[in-house]
Amino acid sequence: ETGVTQTPRHLVMGMTNKKSLKCEQHLGHNAMYWYKQSAKKPLELMFVYNFKEQTENNSVPSRFSPECPNSSHLFLHLHTLQPEDSALYLCASSQEPAGGPGETQYFGPGTRLLVL
Amino acid sequence: DAKTTQPNSMESNEEEPVHLPCNHSTISGTDYIHWYRQLPSQGPEYVIHGLTSNVNNRMASLAIAEDRKSSTLILHRATLRDAAVYYCILRDWGTSYDKVIFGPGTSLSVIP
Repeated sequence: ETGVTQTPRHLVMGMTNKKSLKCEQHLGHNAMYWYKQSAKKPLELMFVYNFKEQTENNSVPSRFSPECPNSSHLFLHLHTLQPEDSALYLCASSQEPAGGPGETQYFGPGTRLLVL
Repeated sequence: DAKTTQPNSMESNEEEPVHLPCNHSTISGTDYIHWYRQLPSQGPEYVIHGLTSNVNNRMASLAIAEDRKSSTLILHRATLRDAAVYYCILRDWGTSYDKVIFGPGTSLSVIP
């Protein structure tokens, strides 16, 4: 069982590029998340999907666009990013509906993004 | 918002027990206490969670104070693979996600 996988693991892009990050979970979970982890900063929750429906957008700029075509896949589409968007982007999934008190999140290894 | 405070860093000798403290003095009655850890170059992984009673699993033990204003994650025998950042987090049923905050955590170093 590979749990939560993310591709690519590393990405370098220019500010005018468009790219997408992919997350896939093989755990049969109902909720999926995107987090951002900047250097020496705590994780910041970006987006939450419950049963393919976006339930939270934590004041994320529109240059980040999530997509959840089914409960196993989550994408983060990137366009016209800024250098300060360089960070580790982590995907996670959980079994219970997001917000459940016993909810345990399983994280992927992350995509290390560098914006030039 | 209920928040947690943890020491920035701690050190432990290999094969010794480690007690990682967390203060959450503004915890509400419906907040669950969760612990995650993040090893170098990896995503966070779940360690343990509890509400009121002490909890044990194969990774660690969680000791919760009677007034629930603090808790302690206990690693019974630290190994070099336990060197990581440990996060103490409060999760409330139906919480708004802008209130779910990973703090800076405690960076645990294990000395051989």
